Amino acid sequence: KAGVTQTPRYLIKTRGQQVTLSCSPISGHRSVSWYQQTPGQGLQFLFEYFSETQRNKGNFPGRFSGRQFSNSRSEMNVSTLELGDSALYLCASSEAGGGAEYFGPGTRLTVT
Amino acid sequence: AQSVTQPDIHITVSEGASLELRCNYSYGATPYLFWYVQSPGQGLQLLLKYFSGDTLVQGIKGFEAEFKRSQSSFNLRKPSVHWSDAAEYFCAVGSTSGTYKYIFGTGTRLKVLA
Repeated sequence: KAGVTQTPRYLIKTRGQQVTLSCSPISGHRSVSWYQQTPGQGLQFLFEYFSETQRNKGNFPGRFSGRQFSNSRSEMNVSTLELGDSALYLCASSEAGGGAEYFGPGTRLTVT
Repeated sequence: AQSVTQPDIHITVSEGASLELRCNYSYGATPYLFWYVQSPGQGLQLLLKYFSGDTLVQGIKGFEAEFKRSQSSFNLRKPSVHWSDAAEYFCAVGSTSGTYKYIFGTGTRLKVLA
């Protein structure tokens, strides 16, 4: 089976712009979760989707949103980018949720 | 408040020596507990997880962890460390009741001496 894939791998955006990141889970996995990793804040949970429904959300502002499609692929959107949004964004998939099992390589977002 | 503490930011061990990485948590409900490893070539990988049952959990790469409710701890152990174990290790806690959320520890960076 192919692993979790994330696109793009690297992204440079300007403050105020918006960005959409994509995550394709392992085939058959219905849960996709997203995480932000920064040197200052470490790993933080953003949200989890299961069968197209957001089940859980971390403590991030409303500028961070996501969705999941019927094929379990997920997108994460960040609007009105701030310099502090520069981070490695990771997604993970699992068959039924209850914890991240398989991570993608991440998308490195740089906001200038 | 819910929190996860990994008291050791850096740990250095010699190859072949035993390893224990500490993780303490503060969580209102019975938690789900996880250990992950992150290395440059491998990304972030799940080592093991505990949901319920036997408090001694076996994971991949020869790692194990023990859940001790009385001490609110979930320490990771390996009897003999290999040079390839050098990486950063993260403990994480999730809720088993109400809205499921994840909290990660700050990580422990492991260095292995040849």
